[in-house]
Amino acid sequence: QVQLVQSGAEVKRPGSSVKVSCKASGDTFSNSGFNWVRQAPGQGLEWMGGIIPIFGTPNYAQKFQGRVTITTDESTRTAYLELRSLRSEDTAMFYCARDGTLRGSYDSWGQGTLVTVSS
Amino acid sequence: QSALTQPRSMSGSPGQSVTISCTGTSSDVGPYNFVSWYQHHPGKAPKLMIYDVNKRPSGVPDRFSGSKSGNTASLTISGLQAEDEADYYCCSYAGSYTFVFGTGTKVTVL
Repeated sequence: QVQLVQSGAEVKRPGSSVKVSCKASGDTFSNSGFNWVRQAPGQGLEWMGGIIPIFGTPNYAQKFQGRVTITTDESTRTAYLELRSLRSEDTAMFYCARDGTLRGSYDSWGQGTLVTVSS
Repeated sequence: QSALTQPRSMSGSPGQSVTISCTGTSSDVGPYNFVSWYQHHPGKAPKLMIYDVNKRPSGVPDRFSGSKSGNTASLTISGLQAEDEADYYCCSYAGSYTFVFGTGTKVTVL
């Protein structure tokens, strides 16, 4: 199994950027998929994008194309989500999730990072 | 990439069964047997309940089962228990390592 620990809550101004980290321990890193999922208040889960470190190229939901970057650092076993041009509607809980089968089985989740966008 | 369609809410008495549908398209649910289901209690991280349409991770009770027909996947909870009250989300592979979640279903145990 993999344990995922995310960075702490953030408060950001509209128009700024946020970078959330997700540190993995316990199992293989490079051969897993790392995905980011967000949940806005009162809304459902929304897939933002994912990356398989051994391949390196991230894939994003169309909705976030151009505004999001997902990266990994294999030396520190950490995945990152950067979201730019923040607006109030981006206020949400952001989760990282490990995909152990590379077929969308998110078997380990981080504790979530609350990002609040407010002026 | 539109969200998969799930019923907004479902309910049942303890011991009864509920089946949650998850309707997608010929671009996501239809061509791939890579549908997963998550249980989400408010304030906690989601939990994987079913993957690859009908496989259960270790530790998930066999009361939970999954199936798929065409563009629609389903999650059945048999023998409902109080602790099953939660939000449930389906998720499907949509090609090129992209995924889409369902709209979510609130299950209430009466």
